[in-house]
Amino acid sequence: DQQVKQNSPSLSVQEGRISILNCDYTNSMFDYFLWYKKYPAEGPTFLISISSIKDKNEDGRFTVFLNKSAKHLSLHIVPSQPGDSAVYFCAASASGSSNTGKLIFGQGTTLQVKP
Amino acid sequence: DSGVTQTPKHLITATGQRVTLRCSPRSGDLSVYWYQQSLDQGLQFLIQYYNGEERAKGNILERFSAQQFPDLHSELNLSSLELGDSALYFCASSVHHTNYGYTFGSGTRLTVV
Repeated sequence: DQQVKQNSPSLSVQEGRISILNCDYTNSMFDYFLWYKKYPAEGPTFLISISSIKDKNEDGRFTVFLNKSAKHLSLHIVPSQPGDSAVYFCAASASGSSNTGKLIFGQGTTLQVKP
Repeated sequence: DSGVTQTPKHLITATGQRVTLRCSPRSGDLSVYWYQQSLDQGLQFLIQYYNGEERAKGNILERFSAQQFPDLHSELNLSSLELGDSALYFCASSVHHTNYGYTFGSGTRLTVV
């Protein structure tokens, strides 16, 4: 049962344009969402997060949008740079009563930004 | 260098064998997490330790076990290995047990032949 889904395995965009990565979830108990970026031969690196009490969070070129009614979140990168080429993982947590740091990850989307 | 150290980086072993993966968390971090990433899959949560105690458990196989030692390093033991256990195993650490923006190590690639 895949509770967090990234339906696009790959995405290719031109440098300077917007990259939009999408993520869907099924568990309505999820209340905290994160994006991680992963380069080859490295571990994932935390990028940006959003709590379910918000619908947008921005950090420089990165913005995450959350649509709770649609159980959908997206990561926007503007403008995209070649160094952004990596695998992006969406992750979710049901903090509620679990009181742990456990995350449920999507399968990842490989972003390629062409110069 | 993320500050989380995993050893070894690569491991090739035969079916039926037992291996131990080691993780040293970032200085000051009390919580350690283990994740498994199989081919074309996302990261699957295995287990979390906080200050030496098991905090959360995922779909970890009975053939797998882990522990966190007093110096806070952690070991993941995989026994009776099967071909399907071939994967990348990541360790991550954080200061608190509910901190989600944790720091990952670069992983151990296990190949079972």
